[in-house]
Amino acid sequence: KQEVTQIPAALSVPEGENLVLNCSFTDSAIYNLQWFRQDPGKGLTSLLLIQSSQREQTSGRLNASLDKSSGRSTLYIAASQPGDSATYLCAVRPLGAGNNRKLIWGLGTSLAVNP
Amino acid sequence: DGGITQSPKYLFRKEGQNVTLSCEQNLNHDAMYWYRQDPGQGLRLIYYSQIVNDFQKGDIAEGYSVSREKKESFPLTVTSAQKNPTAFYLCASSTQQNIQYFGAGTRLSVL
Repeated sequence: KQEVTQIPAALSVPEGENLVLNCSFTDSAIYNLQWFRQDPGKGLTSLLLIQSSQREQTSGRLNASLDKSSGRSTLYIAASQPGDSATYLCAVRPLGAGNNRKLIWGLGTSLAVNP
Repeated sequence: DGGITQSPKYLFRKEGQNVTLSCEQNLNHDAMYWYRQDPGQGLRLIYYSQIVNDFQKGDIAEGYSVSREKKESFPLTVTSAQKNPTAFYLCASSTQQNIQYFGAGTRLSVL
């Protein structure tokens, strides 16, 4: 059974620091992996999607990597800003799930960037 | 604006009452989803629909019902059989690549 774990559960950093959020999954048979951001009391925003055949994706100050064989993904945030404060979630789409597009979710990392 | 609209933002349910949460999208997506989010737990899938007039149970469908009569709309009814309905409910739709777009959520509480 696919399980997704995110460590740490919470992180507090000073503004300007580069940081890495971790996501691990137990079954390497995945179709893709996504990173999302959630602000308190709000819905989720998709940040990056990495297909299983890809190693990384970049969007602005965000870079997500995928190592399928070791079951790991990292989200790198460069030059963090207070506006980056949010909860970051990763989710994998397992292979063999037919065409139902179900995702398996981690619990998220709550990030606080302090001015 | 293109996106997903959930209403209401806050909803209160009395014991024994059914309530319906609205979800509308104008993204022309075929697939739509309902999730429940509780503190300290990951998102849990209630129901999903890949196409109009078709829907499938997710991991925690008991006490909930849905319909998908139109591509744009995927309402969720929380029935009186759901004994612990207090949660944050999120609706999403997805592209063919399964990039999921979320609404702003509905927070349901029990009176």
